[in-house]
Amino acid sequence: SQQGEEDPQALSIQEGENATMNCSYKTSINNLQWYRQNSGRGLVHLILIRSNEREKHSGRLRVTLDTSKKSSSLLITASRAADTASYFCATDAGRITSGTYKYIFGTGTRLKVLA
Amino acid sequence: DTEVTQTPKHLVMGMTNKKSLKCEQHMGHRAMYWYKQKAKKPPELMFVYSYEKLSINESVPSRFSPECPNSSLLNLHLHALQPEDSALYLCASSPRESGTGGNYGYTFGSGTRLTVV
Repeated sequence: SQQGEEDPQALSIQEGENATMNCSYKTSINNLQWYRQNSGRGLVHLILIRSNEREKHSGRLRVTLDTSKKSSSLLITASRAADTASYFCATDAGRITSGTYKYIFGTGTRLKVLA
Repeated sequence: DTEVTQTPKHLVMGMTNKKSLKCEQHMGHRAMYWYKQKAKKPPELMFVYSYEKLSINESVPSRFSPECPNSSLLNLHLHALQPEDSALYLCASSPRESGTGGNYGYTFGSGTRLTVV
């Protein structure tokens, strides 16, 4: 299985509700990031949480990190139709051949917010 | 300028063609990356160019070759591609290479949608 696995794979909620997505990973990390991707477009960086941090906020976003459980969650409060997108976690675990760190993206959660 | 610009946005090429994808950033970032993304899958790292050093993900076939003419540009040369190489190719940059003492988010371009026929 992949380094980053997210659940649920798909989530459909009504506008105004909260959306929670979870990410699990396998190896120790320096940081974990969350990204949003609108259909067929580039990824947008949402938030980075360091391994020594437990919670971080940015606007309507709240990210938690539990390194003992190797998991993170992204909470979007008061969701809007414009939040409809795929959300990916990414971790800096693992190296490629020359010793360079390799960012690995999770499998993603497809969020649909219904107006 | 806080963007990563990728051109072209769409590309259709035959299996015998040679083409190049271009990526440019003017944020002074010292690390640039190419990712490949198939439909409904996460992006997969292909190459990292950091401080004039190129790192290659072992699983990337040699028909893909990156080139970094200067610190603002990262090209991806394509030759003899296969239909299964059809995907969204994403370029990204970061101030420095993350995970080596720094913690940096990536800025992504909007991607090149490649179709190999």
